[in-house]
Amino acid sequence: DSGVTQTPKHLITATGQRVTLRCSPRSGDLSVYWYQQSLDQGLQFLIQYYNGEERAKGNILERFSAQQFPDLHSELNLSSLELGDSALYFCASSVDSGNEQYFGPGTRLTVT
Amino acid sequence: AQSVTQLGSHVSVSEGALVLLRCNYSSSVPPYLFWYVQYPNQGLQLLLKYTTGATLVKGINGFEAEFKKSETSFHLTKPSAHMSDAAEYFCAVSDKGSGNTGKLIFGQGTTLQVKP
Repeated sequence: DSGVTQTPKHLITATGQRVTLRCSPRSGDLSVYWYQQSLDQGLQFLIQYYNGEERAKGNILERFSAQQFPDLHSELNLSSLELGDSALYFCASSVDSGNEQYFGPGTRLTVT
Repeated sequence: AQSVTQLGSHVSVSEGALVLLRCNYSSSVPPYLFWYVQYPNQGLQLLLKYTTGATLVKGINGFEAEFKKSETSFHLTKPSAHMSDAAEYFCAVSDKGSGNTGKLIFGQGTTLQVKP
């Protein structure tokens, strides 16, 4: 158990819908990262927050957004969902940028 | 830009044999390097990391890796494979020098099969 929690574990939704994925980092970790894992793209960095502020952006679509709240939990919002958004979404946390990251169990999103 | 290449998407070894998973990286600044393991239907677990200092790093479950700057490599080894080692392994690089974001760039992964 990494100490990082993600909910829900599975999510099935239809094209065009919007979903919110939630992540709680390890106690004491200020940095949260979101990654997408798919068969064709592999593991891709989406976005990073540090202590409530966005720090880095990767290949994140404009339809996707995220935020980190004062209690340091983070949410990833995916809207206007397409079939190609079906993937595993991982959250990871670290004490600070550059330190090792601890991954949550992931949320498996299926868009039908 | 940073990148990671894992040579061999699938590696098969016999139980008790040496495990060698290859990783080469590209980075314009001294990198932080990591190996993660992913068991089916689970998240990624950190095996080991290299930041600075000793180039041979030891990790969990008997794995180790050696950072070779001249070869831009960070290969993962284990002297004797166990059935429980069967999983997917990811090599990753973090650009500590680029605003110190710490984002990880992953290789495509190597699936390790262990035969009895």
